[in-house]
Amino acid sequence: EVQLVESGGGLAQPGRSLRLSCTASGFTFGDYATNWVRQAPGKGPEWVGFIRNKVFGGTTEYAASVKGRFTISRDDSKSIAYLQMNSLKTEDTAVYFCTRGSRLDVDAFDIWGQGTMVTVSS
Amino acid sequence: QSVLTQPPSASGTPGERVTISCSGSSSNIGSNTVNWYQQLPGTAPKLLIYSNNQRPSGVPDRFSGSKSGTSASLAISGLQSEDEADYYCAAWDDSLNGLEFGGGTKVTVL
Repeated sequence: EVQLVESGGGLAQPGRSLRLSCTASGFTFGDYATNWVRQAPGKGPEWVGFIRNKVFGGTTEYAASVKGRFTISRDDSKSIAYLQMNSLKTEDTAVYFCTRGSRLDVDAFDIWGQGTMVTVSS
Repeated sequence: QSVLTQPPSASGTPGERVTISCSGSSSNIGSNTVNWYQQLPGTAPKLLIYSNNQRPSGVPDRFSGSKSGTSASLAISGLQSEDEADYYCAAWDDSLNGLEFGGGTKVTVL
């Protein structure tokens, strides 16, 4: 079964760090881009950033709201993507989803994980 | 405030056709493809339409997408009770260098 499973969410104080993991199975993880999308309670989805596959250099792009604070990386040998979140703010509180960029349209996310909740609060 | 504008709500009776609009600009919809997602309560979004008008395998042909200029639309024909959900459009924005989601439209089946 093709799936993505996020882990690492929880409660963090403002200014602290948290690292999320996204473990893929059922497909060749290294062939695809991985995006992170978050959704604050009662709000719509917000794109966080993505990492291209190695064929396209494994480079990253980020939303302005997280640029300089969040870092996406990948370990294709383990089929895992990471979202390192530093200098957390209360407005980062959300469910974080990792998603797969479709081969047919890289901006279309055809597989989503179940999400992991991140709460930033003192 | 999203750069992609959707009506907050839409409704219809079973069997009716409902259309949801997504209005953008030349830097997003005008120059990139539009994708649509359906989100049922308590679940992750699901890809419904990609590349403006393509349905992933398993998506019923009651769902269709279109794009013209800087606007896109999602149509649901033969509305069913299980279509009650939130719907989001999304497109890459060249000016912002990021992917943008619309604010979402809640579809209610009366």
